[in-house]
Amino acid sequence: KNEVEQSPQNLTAQEGEFITINCSYSVGISALHWLQQHPGGGIVSLFMLSSGKKKHGRLIATINIQEKHSSLHITASHPRDSAVYICAGSGGGADGLTFGKGTHLIIQP
Amino acid sequence: NAGVTQTPKFQVLKTGQSMTLQCAQDMNHEYMSWYRQDPGMGLRLIHYSVGAGITDQGEVPNGYNVSRSTTEDFPLRLLSAAPSQTSVYFCASRRRATQYFGPGTRLTVL
Repeated sequence: KNEVEQSPQNLTAQEGEFITINCSYSVGISALHWLQQHPGGGIVSLFMLSSGKKKHGRLIATINIQEKHSSLHITASHPRDSAVYICAGSGGGADGLTFGKGTHLIIQP
Repeated sequence: NAGVTQTPKFQVLKTGQSMTLQCAQDMNHEYMSWYRQDPGMGLRLIHYSVGAGITDQGEVPNGYNVSRSTTEDFPLRLLSAAPSQTSVYFCASRRRATQYFGPGTRLTVL
């Protein structure tokens, strides 16, 4: 059974700080997704990684396949970045994603 | 494009009642799925479909039925609602590696 573990569960930081959220995953997972869920509940896909690194604006996602570990970084954090960030693994098959429990991020002004 | 739409947004049921949560997408995606989200737990896969006429069970399928008669629609049926099915339900479709989620349905079973 695929498993995904995220840390930390909760993170509060000051505006401008560099944020890192970590995700470890099990052997059967071949791609890692990062998602964002805002307080209104909507879920948005941020990145999908199977190797290397991706960047979009102030968001950077990295993955280390050997260590089965991925990180999501936010540079120059802003209160509008406050959300739940979720990592999820896919095994390359037809079935859906296996989700971590999410990291609740609060950026204070 | 409306993306992935779900109805209703909110629903309250009594134990034993049945209902259908609607999900539709206008992006011509073959793959669709249903998840439930509970406090303290990650989203969990209920059922998924890789195309019209093809469905399969996910991690937590008991108490739910699905069908996929068209590419656009993927309804989720609760056969006899139980308090354990109180949750937020998300429908999603996928193109290649990107998942598109609906806005969710908050269901309470009394």
